[in-house]
Amino acid sequence: EAQVTQNPRYLITVTGKKLTVTCSQNMNHEYMSWYRQDPGLGLRQIYYSMNVEVTDKGDVPEGYKVSRKEKRNFPLILESPSPNQTSLYFCASSLSPATEQFFGPGTRLTVL
Amino acid sequence: SQKIEQNSEALNIQEGKTATLTCNYTNYSPAYLQWYRQDPGRGPVFLLLIRENEKEKRKERLKVTFDTTLKQSLFHITASQPADSATYLCALALNSNSGYALNFGKGTSLLVTP
Repeated sequence: EAQVTQNPRYLITVTGKKLTVTCSQNMNHEYMSWYRQDPGLGLRQIYYSMNVEVTDKGDVPEGYKVSRKEKRNFPLILESPSPNQTSLYFCASSLSPATEQFFGPGTRLTVL
Repeated sequence: SQKIEQNSEALNIQEGKTATLTCNYTNYSPAYLQWYRQDPGRGPVFLLLIRENEKEKRKERLKVTFDTTLKQSLFHITASQPADSATYLCALALNSNSGYALNFGKGTSLLVTP
């Protein structure tokens, strides 16, 4: 089944404790991206990757890092999480940014 | 500045009627426009894509129009059903220096009552 998976689905952590949210797709897509979704603010892009070893900042990259060592995986790293990073995070993949985006199920992160 | 506007007020309609959602944009010249459906706590699901040179696109009970002069897209659901209740997002794909970038509107909530 074609899908985008994210782990963990739910996470409660404390300020400053490094964490990684994994994202994996099995559709051989070149384009992958991370979004955060907050009430009243909609979906905002954090980082995106056009292909392996190619990543770029989206609209709200501060406090996040990503890597794209393999085509299928695009982890999101929070080196020192803060409470303002409490949000619902979505990973997405597609053939290109202009085509149909396939979203993962989301990761609900709470930073205390 | 660039802006994508969707009606922030929820749209309530009766089952069987046609729901019409609006997506307006300013300071964009999008090459593509997409519509997604999102259910609470779940990831958006792609519905339709329309290109700048297309006026209208249909898929089953869904219809999308794209007016680049008015800078507006309309999304119609005909013969609406309670199962159509969800938030609908429009997204614009822009051709930037580093390729296409996809920006989402904040979405409009649709409630279809029996």
